[in-house]
Amino acid sequence: QQQVKQSPQSLIVQKGGISIINCAYENTAFDYFPWYQQFPGKGPALLIAIRPDVSEKKEGRFTISFNKSAKQFSLHIMDSQPGDSATYFCAASALNTGNQFYFGTGTSLTVIP
Amino acid sequence: ETGVTQSPTHLIKTRGQQVTLRCSSQSGHNTVSWYQQALGQGPQFIFQYYREEENGRGNFPPRFSGLQFPNYSSELNVNALELDDSALYLCASSPTDRPTEAFFGQGTRLTVV
Repeated sequence: QQQVKQSPQSLIVQKGGISIINCAYENTAFDYFPWYQQFPGKGPALLIAIRPDVSEKKEGRFTISFNKSAKQFSLHIMDSQPGDSATYFCAASALNTGNQFYFGTGTSLTVIP
Repeated sequence: ETGVTQSPTHLIKTRGQQVTLRCSSQSGHNTVSWYQQALGQGPQFIFQYYREEENGRGNFPPRFSGLQFPNYSSELNVNALELDDSALYLCASSPTDRPTEAFFGQGTRLTVV
């Protein structure tokens, strides 16, 4: 059973556009929601993370929107650049479990110059 | 660089064999988790070690086992290898004061033939 569902599977965006990736979860015990970026041949790298006490978090061009009642969260990449082309994973973990994450299935983002 | 190093980077084994994968974390990272990432999928949590004790386990059989050592290194052992064990194996370590901040290694690509 997939604990975190992610969509779309792939995304193509023009340079300068906005990339939006969505995730949904069922387990209300989840209290930490990170997004990871992974390039081919590399391990995932933390981009940005949010806890459910806030509805939005912004770091540079990356924003997480969080809807606790709907149990959904999304990643917005503003002014997308070709260097953003990578696979993005949402994840979730429960209180006091540290780095025990449930990952989504990933979104392959391609930014066209 | 994340400061997390995995070895070897690639490995080919025969079905039924045993394999040991290694991870070296940063000093002060007392929590390490191992993940299996099948091609085109998100990482799946195998187990977590905290201060050399197993501290959580995902839906993996007992032939997947681990060790954590006082020098912040750890091992993942897999016995009786099956073809479906072919995947990228990732370790993620976290500092004690920020247990959800995970730093991933580059992974070990295991192929079982």
